[in-house]
Amino acid sequence: EDQVTQSPEALRLQEGESSSLNCSYTVSGLRGLFWYRQDPGKGPEFLFTLYSAGEEKEKERLKATLTKKESFLHITAPKPEDSATYLCAAREGSQGNLIFGKGTKLSVKP
Amino acid sequence: DAGITQSPRYKITETGRQVTLMCHQTWSHSYMFWYRQDLGHGLRLIYYSAAADITDKGEVPDGYVVSRSKTENFPLTLESATRSQTSVYFCASGDYYPYEQYFGPGTRLTVT
Repeated sequence: EDQVTQSPEALRLQEGESSSLNCSYTVSGLRGLFWYRQDPGKGPEFLFTLYSAGEEKEKERLKATLTKKESFLHITAPKPEDSATYLCAAREGSQGNLIFGKGTKLSVKP
Repeated sequence: DAGITQSPRYKITETGRQVTLMCHQTWSHSYMFWYRQDLGHGLRLIYYSAAADITDKGEVPDGYVVSRSKTENFPLTLESATRSQTSVYFCASGDYYPYEQYFGPGTRLTVT
């Protein structure tokens, strides 16, 4: 069964304390790994798409990387405004729909 | 403004009533999606549409009906609402490639 697992479920950081979020996937014929940010009461906001192992993408303090079994979202020197739930999703090969993980809730304290 | 909108944003209804959630996008994306988001389950796909008049079931389609007569609109109908359908519903749109999906603000539905 295709599935996506994110860890940890919740992460508390001090401002400036770098860390990583993990997204492991078991999906047949991966056709893309997507990262989203979701603020409370809002819809998910698209961040990155990764297509092949070794690929990396960056946006401000965020960098996403992809291996054959997992993806990492690295947060460098986070700020309180980075606090949100981060979702990853894998696009599977047959129907091509996105399979979402349950998310990691990140809290950054000043 | 370009984007994706959902209405209503909040809805309370009673068990057994019919409810329609509206979704409108201005990007001319070919694909549109309906998800529900519940604690402990994450986002689950209800139905999706690849183009006008083409719809298909997702992971949790039971109890829901969709239609897509125009590219920009994708309404979701709960024909006879049940308490288990209490959830936050998100509409999204995108194209086949690169398949990035852009989400609306959500509708919080409570069935009493």
